[in-house]
Amino acid sequence: NAGVTQTPKFRILKIGQSMTLQCTQDMNHNYMYWYRQDPGMGLKLIYYSVGAGITDKGEVPNGYNVSRSTTEDFPLRLELAAPSQTSVYFCASIQRSLGTEAFFGQGTRLTVV
Amino acid sequence: AQTVTQSQPEMSVQEAETVTLSCTYDTSENNYYLFWYKQPPSRQMILVIRQEAYKQQNATENRFSVNFQKAAKSFSLKISDSQLGDTAMYFCAFQNNAGNMLTFGGGTRLMVKP
Repeated sequence: NAGVTQTPKFRILKIGQSMTLQCTQDMNHNYMYWYRQDPGMGLKLIYYSVGAGITDKGEVPNGYNVSRSTTEDFPLRLELAAPSQTSVYFCASIQRSLGTEAFFGQGTRLTVV
Repeated sequence: AQTVTQSQPEMSVQEAETVTLSCTYDTSENNYYLFWYKQPPSRQMILVIRQEAYKQQNATENRFSVNFQKAAKSFSLKISDSQLGDTAMYFCAFQNNAGNMLTFGGGTRLMVKP
């Protein structure tokens, strides 16, 4: 079981460039999330999805876009990267049941220069 | 929207001693789940313990236990017999009754000293 897989693990972007962070889970989880974690800080919710075709904004959605065409995949798109988007990004998934454990990917460390 | 607050950015404890990490939250819901996650330097997120709001009995998992005070909206984590491997960031998290929102606190960095 691979769990939640994120790619890439590291990336350096120039200001104004775009990229997609990939997230795939093989546990048939309905709920998926993207968080960002700034150095020494907590996790802030960017976007989430409760199922294929359904996405919704979290706390800090500006500058990002998501799609959920399948249950397994939940990519995060950065358009026109800015230094403020330098962070570690985590994808997570949860089974559609209250109280179940969230499974996280290993994170993507993104630096925008 | 729910908020989760961890008021202790950093804490330290001597090996084998006990430490308590604080967490408060704000919600209008009556049923929900609370979690503590551990993030070691590897960045991996590891579930430590969970508590359902309807259960009055505090959850325990080996050396880890919680003090859940529903009326006060408080959910503290006690680590007994601290070990060097407990050194990590600890996050308190709130899951709403619908199960679709998982909100994290700002974290507490715990250092266990030999």
